[in-house]
Amino acid sequence: QKEVEQDPGPLSVPEGAIVSLNCTYSNSAFQYFMWYRQYSRKGPELLMYTYSSGNKEDGRFTAQVDKSSKYISLFIRDSQPSDSATYLCAMRGQEGNTGKLIFGQGTTLQVKP
Amino acid sequence: GAGVSQSPSNKVTEKGKDVELRCDPISGHTALYWYRQRLGQGLEFLIYFQGNSAPDKSGLPSDRFSAERTGESVSTLTIQRTQQEDSAVYLCASSSPSREQFFGPGTRLTVL
Repeated sequence: QKEVEQDPGPLSVPEGAIVSLNCTYSNSAFQYFMWYRQYSRKGPELLMYTYSSGNKEDGRFTAQVDKSSKYISLFIRDSQPSDSATYLCAMRGQEGNTGKLIFGQGTTLQVKP
Repeated sequence: GAGVSQSPSNKVTEKGKDVELRCDPISGHTALYWYRQRLGQGLEFLIYFQGNSAPDKSGLPSDRFSAERTGESVSTLTIQRTQQEDSAVYLCASSSPSREQFFGPGTRLTVL
């Protein structure tokens, strides 16, 4: 079993829809949680960076972390065609370790005009 | 300032040849990471540098893979005697200690 599980999709939604992307994980030592967006043939771009449990909002994006359930989510409101990309969740343990990230497989999102 | 840069952007090689991939991190970032992304997959950690030393090489898949970093700046990832299963995108990231990692555009390696 992988440390981080993410449904690869693809996920197709109409423009303006609310999108929910999710990851589950098995390692309770993970403390830092990230969402990256990756356009085709580009490197991952950091979207959200959160520590421990709770919510974080940035514009149309909201990240949620539920450590008790080992479950993280990214919500995209008012989705746009420009949001069409692959979304990767990533996580790591406490400061002081190597900082290497463990990634999910990525979910491919298509927002149709 | 400039982001993380990688070269070449694409590399096609024949099975058995050696290849060298280069990463230029963001200036001042002491931490540098190499990851591999196979088609349709997430990123797999390969190696971590803090300064010029590599305290975590646990992700290197075999002894054909090696990496070095000089001057707390440029890093090179070398794959010897390439195999077809080495075909992937190789991504480099840099960060300040325990901070967010910023990725380069990657090198797409194809082994024929």
